[in-house]
Amino acid sequence: GENVEQHPSTLSVQEGDSAVIKCTYSDSASNYFPWYKQELGKRPQLIIDIRSNVGEKKDQRIAVTLNKTAKHFSLHITETQPEDSAVYFCAAGNPQTGTASKLTFGTGTRLQVTL
Amino acid sequence: DVKVTQSSRYLVKRTGEKVFLECVQDMDHENMFWYRQDPGLGLRLIYFSYDVKMKEKGDIPEGYSVSREKKERFSLILESASTNQTSMYLCASSPPRTSGTYEQYFGPGTRLTVT
Repeated sequence: GENVEQHPSTLSVQEGDSAVIKCTYSDSASNYFPWYKQELGKRPQLIIDIRSNVGEKKDQRIAVTLNKTAKHFSLHITETQPEDSAVYFCAAGNPQTGTASKLTFGTGTRLQVTL
Repeated sequence: DVKVTQSSRYLVKRTGEKVFLECVQDMDHENMFWYRQDPGLGLRLIYFSYDVKMKEKGDIPEGYSVSREKKERFSLILESASTNQTSMYLCASSPPRTSGTYEQYFGPGTRLTVT
């Protein structure tokens, strides 16, 4: 099955700096790579996703890049703000195969944005 | 707006008890998932369901079973609770693959403590 590794497990940046979280996956059949944000005490929510037919996707201060050859993808947050503090999870899957849109999640990165 | 609810936010049970965790979604989603979330281990898939009465094992099904008698409801059952099942349990649902979107919508979680 799929295996997703995520690094770092914790990340502390100063407000205004950039943050990068990296994930690798093992199954070359995976073609969908979402990122979820979980604020303290709240449920995970999708913030951005990328499919394997593109190499980069951007949404305001958030961007995700994908390198299919190396089987890794990254989340980039620019101009970080205190409200970016949360746990971020990457995931990988191939929603079109199997019986459901199953995902394998990484172990999470706790991002702390300090003033 | 998709709403996924779970029957309890906090639950304390004794070793050996049978435990039922309930999840309800109101968006007519075909797919439903049960995860457990533990520090440093991320979100691990226990079971998922792609239709009424249809279920498949996830990555860590041992000690758990599920039931999906109605489309909107997905139950996780711990037949005989053990202390190593103390965890945060998250339910999620997602639309059918034919929709072209694969976002998983999470419930608020149930923190289960087994003593």
